[in-house]
Amino acid sequence: DQQVKQNSPSLSVQEGRISILNCDYTNSMFDYFLWYKKYPAEGPTFLISISSIKDKNEDGRFTVFLNKSAKHLSLHIVPSQPGDSAVYFCAALLNTGNQFYFGTGTSLTVIP
Amino acid sequence: KAGVTQTPRYLIKTRGQQVTLSCSPISGHRSVSWYQQTPGQGLQFLFEYFSETQRNKGNFPGRFSGRQFSNSRSEMNVSTLELGDSALYLCASSLGPSARLYEQYFGPGTRLTVT
Repeated sequence: DQQVKQNSPSLSVQEGRISILNCDYTNSMFDYFLWYKKYPAEGPTFLISISSIKDKNEDGRFTVFLNKSAKHLSLHIVPSQPGDSAVYFCAALLNTGNQFYFGTGTSLTVIP
Repeated sequence: KAGVTQTPRYLIKTRGQQVTLSCSPISGHRSVSWYQQTPGQGLQFLFEYFSETQRNKGNFPGRFSGRQFSNSRSEMNVSTLELGDSALYLCASSLGPSARLYEQYFGPGTRLTVT
């Protein structure tokens, strides 16, 4: 049973516009969330994280929003750049352990 | 500093065979985790090792096993391979066992194809 879901397999955005990637989770015991970016033939690389005690975390062009009541998080990329084209995975950690639960990924294409 | 390395990068095996994959973490990292990535399931956690001890195990059958050596290098073994084991196997290393404190660095993965 997929506890972390990314319902959009792909997303296309014009360069300079905002990219919004969404992630939903089902387990209220998740208390730490991360986003990873993956280029072809490379492993995922850490992008940004957020603890459940916050509702927003920002790092440069990347902002993660957490809505605990809706069990929903989103990653905003502003402005989007062609180099942002990659697969983005959200991941969650249970408050009881150290095991990551990943979503299935969203492939972002930023069109120049 | 060298990144996480995984060998081999590509592997083709036949059903019923067994396979061993290797992961060398970043120098100084003592925690190694393994993941299976398939198109429909995303990344699924296999197991985590820290200081040669398995700390955590995902929901995979006993055919999947692993170990970690004193130099922190890790191997995972899959016995009696099935077609459904075809996947990208990713290894990640970090300084310590807490994912909240220590960033995980992923290797490029081993692409296993079972025919």
